[in-house]
Amino acid sequence: QPVLAQPPSSSASPGETARLTCALSRDIDVGSYNIYWYQHKPGSPPRYLLYHYSDLDKGRGSGVPSRFSASKDSSANTGILLISGVQSEDEADYYCLIWPGNAWVFGGGTRLTVL
Amino acid sequence: QVQLVESGGVVVQPGRSLILSCGASGFTFSGFDMHWVRQAPGKGLEWVAVTSNDGSNTYYADSVKGRFSISRDNSKNTLFLHMDSLKPEDTAVYYCARKFDYYIPFDYWGQGTLVTVSS
Repeated sequence: QPVLAQPPSSSASPGETARLTCALSRDIDVGSYNIYWYQHKPGSPPRYLLYHYSDLDKGRGSGVPSRFSASKDSSANTGILLISGVQSEDEADYYCLIWPGNAWVFGGGTRLTVL
Repeated sequence: QVQLVESGGVVVQPGRSLILSCGASGFTFSGFDMHWVRQAPGKGLEWVAVTSNDGSNTYYADSVKGRFSISRDNSKNTLFLHMDSLKPEDTAVYYCARKFDYYIPFDYWGQGTLVTVSS
């Protein structure tokens, strides 16, 4: 099964933009898949944030603020979650996810610390 | 409201078997695909298995293929995970989760049940 590589940790100060990356293994092309993003805080179930296929095919979950968005870097075969105007409540683990055809695959997760 | 309640998590010896259950309420259970997802202590989320709404199609992570089996009883609104040949690395909190649609792979989750595989 493909591998999704996420940096284990990232940090941002309140008001800054956090950029979390999800690098796909070379056997799969980021341009061919929806990239889903989830937020997970201790003691709570994971929360669906959004999916991103392209700038014309994307969507956010119900109640998810517009400061959460996503993009892709085709040259790096990477999905990107952007959190603008970071707030203290955004401190959590963030996971990317894809369906390459016969199994769902999570990235290892990035713990975002709000400084 | 949608509720998913897992049960069956215990301490079990390596090589033994275990069945987890997930009771669903607040929605038409037979209309939705259902997943199991796990999280080992200090580790990230790992998808385990999914079943289609009628149970006719199932998929598994490579790490559990041939050892775990997902099933459901739509008449009882219950999802199951049959776990055989358990290994210490199967130790995790196991969550059941509902698939909403193509754009939202998991929308509702249970609170999880802890499986510990240890001698």
